[in-house]
Amino acid sequence: SAVISQKPSRDICQRGTSLTIQCQVDSQVTMMFWYRQQPGQSLTLIATANQGSEATYESGFVIDKFPISRPNLTFSTLTVSNMSPEDSSIYLCGGAHNTGELFFGEGSRLTVL
Amino acid sequence: GQQLNQSPQSMFIQEGEDVSMNCTSSSIFNTWLWYKQDPGEGPVLLIALYKAGELTSNGRLTAQFGITRKDSFLNISASIPSDVGIYFCAGRNAGNMLTFGGGTRLMVKP
Repeated sequence: SAVISQKPSRDICQRGTSLTIQCQVDSQVTMMFWYRQQPGQSLTLIATANQGSEATYESGFVIDKFPISRPNLTFSTLTVSNMSPEDSSIYLCGGAHNTGELFFGEGSRLTVL
Repeated sequence: GQQLNQSPQSMFIQEGEDVSMNCTSSSIFNTWLWYKQDPGEGPVLLIALYKAGELTSNGRLTAQFGITRKDSFLNISASIPSDVGIYFCAGRNAGNMLTFGGGTRLMVKP
């Protein structure tokens, strides 16, 4: 398996503010991803975090809203910008081995008032 | 994009019963992954399947990679209260894209 740590684990934020979520993975992980899980829903891929370059975003997600950094192999951040209540979700950091197995952090539960 | 149909959406069973859930797709996958998510936690990988026809067990859990490569099932034998949670399948295609099923919410009555 892989050890993936996220923080904060939860936060309550005001509309219009931004929040940055941090993810630390162990050295066995080769790829890092950010997912969103809206209440009662499945997981939706936001983007693949690329080391030292711009993230690869999925359809419906843009860099201005969800800027992502990955300065090195084992660390990434996701920022949720200019938040609205619709951004209330669990945000999950994922790390994958070369085998293709994908492991997740504990998630960051975000509530926007 | 690809879609994974996971069923059932929810199950309410008696402790000790066996459970079966499955995922189907119109597309071929190279890898199937099964996860369990407890409330307030991230999904935890239960079983990974890499070859068509592969049958893999992890304790009371058994999963199979369908021979057509378009489906997979997960069985849980002799359910216990701590099996409660949401189970997700995920399939990875040749383009390395991972797609998640909608989840099966399992409730176990003691």
